[in-house]
Amino acid sequence: EVVLTQSPATLSLSPGERATLSCRASEGVSYFLAWYQQKPGQPPRLLIYDASKRATGIPARFSGGGSGTDFTLTISSLEPEDFGVYYCQQRNTWPPITFGQGTRLEIK
Amino acid sequence: QVQLQESGPGLLKPSETLSLTCNVSGASITTDYWTWIRQPPGKGLEWIGYFSYSGSPHYNPSLKSRVTISGDTSKNQFSLRFNSVAAADTAVYFCARSTYSGGWYDFWGQGTLVTVSS
Repeated sequence: EVVLTQSPATLSLSPGERATLSCRASEGVSYFLAWYQQKPGQPPRLLIYDASKRATGIPARFSGGGSGTDFTLTISSLEPEDFGVYYCQQRNTWPPITFGQGTRLEIK
Repeated sequence: QVQLQESGPGLLKPSETLSLTCNVSGASITTDYWTWIRQPPGKGLEWIGYFSYSGSPHYNPSLKSRVTISGDTSKNQFSLRFNSVAAADTAVYFCARSTYSGGWYDFWGQGTLVTVSS
């Protein structure tokens, strides 16, 4: 199965700063990668799909990039509500669909 | 707006069978792909598998021997059956929709916590 490794494990930044989250795949997944945000007690929310397309209703400060094995999620200017855990997910090689282990974003 | 709601028992004993149902509104389960995903407390997400009205279900190979996912079009709901549960199956179970087979999950239920304990 495709293993997705996310880094860093935890990111602590202040509002207004830029956040860059990384997701590396154990084998190429083309552009078939998505990003989700999850807050405590809630289901994940789809942010980005096909590596760089914003899902419906997602603010423009969220952007995704990369292809093959290396991907990034960038939040251009952090808002207080952007805290949570971020997961990447691939759908290029399945079953199984796989997720990364998550990056926790803390807002200072 | 598509809405999903999980229901089922919150507590099971080891070796019992877990049965969960996801009630869908705002969409028909005769289209799209209807998925179960779980999340052990404090941990990451694990894909279990999906039901599709137009094709065969697909399962995570690591769970395939214990899992069945099926749909009931008359009630517009789909179900998860998980045999021989153990403590390691303790998790929040989410149902979700994708518009691709093995796709992106744009609508999710709130999740239901299932605890396996003797």
